[in-house]
Amino acid sequence: DIQLTQSPTFLSASVGDRVTITCRASQGISRYLAWYQQKPGKAPKLLIYAASTLQSGVPSRFSGSGSGTEFTLTISSLQPEDFATYYCQQLNSYPLTFGGGTKVEIK
Amino acid sequence: EVQLVESGGGLVKPGGSLRLSCAASGFTFSNYSMNWVRQAPGKGLEWVSSISNTGSSIFYADSVKGRFTISRDNAKNSLYLQMNSLRAEDTAVYYCARGGLNWGYNYWGQGTLVTVSS
Repeated sequence: DIQLTQSPTFLSASVGDRVTITCRASQGISRYLAWYQQKPGKAPKLLIYAASTLQSGVPSRFSGSGSGTEFTLTISSLQPEDFATYYCQQLNSYPLTFGGGTKVEIK
Repeated sequence: EVQLVESGGGLVKPGGSLRLSCAASGFTFSNYSMNWVRQAPGKGLEWVSSISNTGSSIFYADSVKGRFTISRDNAKNSLYLQMNSLRAEDTAVYYCARGGLNWGYNYWGQGTLVTVSS
C-alpha cells in the first residue's frame, strides 16, 4: 500500500502568511494526488486534483505542485476562512490512501 | 445542484450489521464512480470503498474487506454500503463522495455517524 506522510502535522500562522504543506508518497504516484480542506463538523472540500489543477470555485491563492513522490500545497496569503485541516489523497492505485492531515491554526 | 445525502447510521452492537444509503441528485448518477470514506472521531480520513459507474469494478480497504459490501442502484440514483461483523474500530462518520481517479472527490455528502458499542 502507498503511504502518504504530511508535514507539518500542525502549523500556526497569521493572516497574510504564505503557508506550504508537504505530502510525501512512499512510492511514485505520478501526479495522481488531490488536496482537501476540512473544517470541524463539515465534509472535506476538494481544492486541488492531478497535483496542480485548481478545482472550480477554489480561490487562486491555493496552488499545488509536485510529481512522483513529493507534493506541496501552498496558500499564498492565508485568509481567516483558511484555518482548517488539510489532507492529501493518492489516486494512483488501490487501496487509495490519505495523508494524516495538517491542522492550520491562527497564531 | 449536486446533492449527496447519506442515511442509515446509528448505534449497533459489536458483531452487528448496518446498511448505509446515499441518495444522489442533481447529476447523472450512472455516469460517475462513487465512493465511501470514513472518519473516526478526532481522526483523519480513511478511504473505505469505491465502485465504478456500472458497478463492474469494486475496491475495498483491507480493514473492511470481507465484511463490507458496496453496491449501487443506478435506477434509484443510490449508493449503498452493507456493513457486517461490525467492530468498535468501525465507529466513524461515513461519507459518500462522487469522484474518480483523475479528478478526486469533488462532491461529498454531510456524513452519517455509525457507532459500534455494547
